[in-house]
Amino acid sequence: QVQLVESGGGVVQRGESLRLSCLASGFIFSKFGMHWVRQAPGKGLQWVAIIRNDGSTKYYTESVRGRFTISRDNSNNTVHLQMNSLTAEDTAVYYCAKDMAVTTSRLEYWGQGTLVTVSS
Amino acid sequence: QSVLTQPPSASGTPGQRVTLSCSGSSSNIGTNTVNWYQHLPGSAPQLLIYNNNQRPSGVPDRFSGSKSGTSASLAISGLQSEDEADYYCAAWDDSLSGVLFGGGTKLTVL
Repeated sequence: QVQLVESGGGVVQRGESLRLSCLASGFIFSKFGMHWVRQAPGKGLQWVAIIRNDGSTKYYTESVRGRFTISRDNSNNTVHLQMNSLTAEDTAVYYCAKDMAVTTSRLEYWGQGTLVTVSS
Repeated sequence: QSVLTQPPSASGTPGQRVTLSCSGSSSNIGTNTVNWYQHLPGSAPQLLIYNNNQRPSGVPDRFSGSKSGTSASLAISGLQSEDEADYYCAAWDDSLSGVLFGGGTKLTVL
């Protein structure tokens, strides 16, 4: 069965960096796009980034472009989210999700999430 | 500005049919397919409907989706207490080159 396990969340100060990881299992990782989605306290879901199955294409939501970098390691079934220059507005539960194909909006499976708290 | 608009709340009684709406524009729903997600507090979101009206395996046929022009709907028939959750529509947006989520509708089963 498909499993996505996020790690790397924690409490950081404003302006600091954090790297999230998501270990995938139960499917052929290199065939599918992967997403990061976040939910701030009391808010709705916000899509953050997507990386194509082969890592050749990446897209970001406007508010994180230039600060966050999504990457993947197909040999270790892992997707990462490097987050720099963090602000209080980045405080959220971060979910990784498997795309149903290469690059779509069909997020078929989700992890349980990892909490990132940015304190000022 | 690209945005998917959902009513913030909806309610129904057990057994009732409820319909949740999602309004977009030509750069998202008008051009691309719509997907719906169910999110129970403390749990991972779940894909409920994809490609406007397709159900992943395991999703009860009480859930159905439709799309017309730049709007989409999620219908839940035979409402059950366990359907109480937040529901989000989502679509790829060509202007943003990314996935756009609606603000979510909190469904309460009275």
